[in-house]
Amino acid sequence: EVQILETGGGLVKPGGSLRLSCATSGFNFNDYFMNWVRQAPGKGLEWVAQIRNKNYNYATYYAESLEGRVTISRDDSKSSVYLQVSSLRAEDTAIYYCPASTGHWFAYWGQGTLVTVSS
Amino acid sequence: DTVLTQSPALAVSPGERVTISCRASESVSTLMHWYQQKPGQQPTLLIYLASNLESGVPARFSGSGSGTDFTLTIDPVEADDTATYYCQQSWNDYTFGAGTKLELK
Repeated sequence: EVQILETGGGLVKPGGSLRLSCATSGFNFNDYFMNWVRQAPGKGLEWVAQIRNKNYNYATYYAESLEGRVTISRDDSKSSVYLQVSSLRAEDTAIYYCPASTGHWFAYWGQGTLVTVSS
Repeated sequence: DTVLTQSPALAVSPGERVTISCRASESVSTLMHWYQQKPGQQPTLLIYLASNLESGVPARFSGSGSGTDFTLTIDPVEADDTATYYCQQSWNDYTFGAGTKLELK
């Protein structure tokens, strides 16, 4: 059974930083690209970042709207992926998901972790 | 950015056929995928590459289209299909439509 568990969310003050973690199991992590996708309360889905697998030299890609404030990384030995977010703003308040993808579609999703940016 | 436009909401009766549309601002070939998101849950993949049914998804769901115009069809609709449906393109980075909320009468 595929399991994806995002953790690390919480209440953060504007200007603060946060590191989100995503632990996976039940599929061959090394074969997949890993992503972060977020969803603001009551809103739609927004792709944030992608890290490819070893075959693609762990290349990283970021949404233009967040580039410079986010860093994605992965640890294949732990089947885990991470997202470092800095200079947080109120508009970063969202549920953050880390879906696994083939490069085109997002095949497996976790329940997400809620990040709230507020003073 | 490639913008995807979806109708905001639809209301249908159980047993009916419903089509949910997604229009792209530029051609995305067949690099279009569909997700279902029920309230309080994560999205789940329904259709990939415009018309391929994800394993485990009921055959009531189907997808079609290419270029800029795409359709997700549910036939027949069941009560459990109440959800928001999102299209997503992978031609130019990754963008999602704003979602179509499907309600049952």
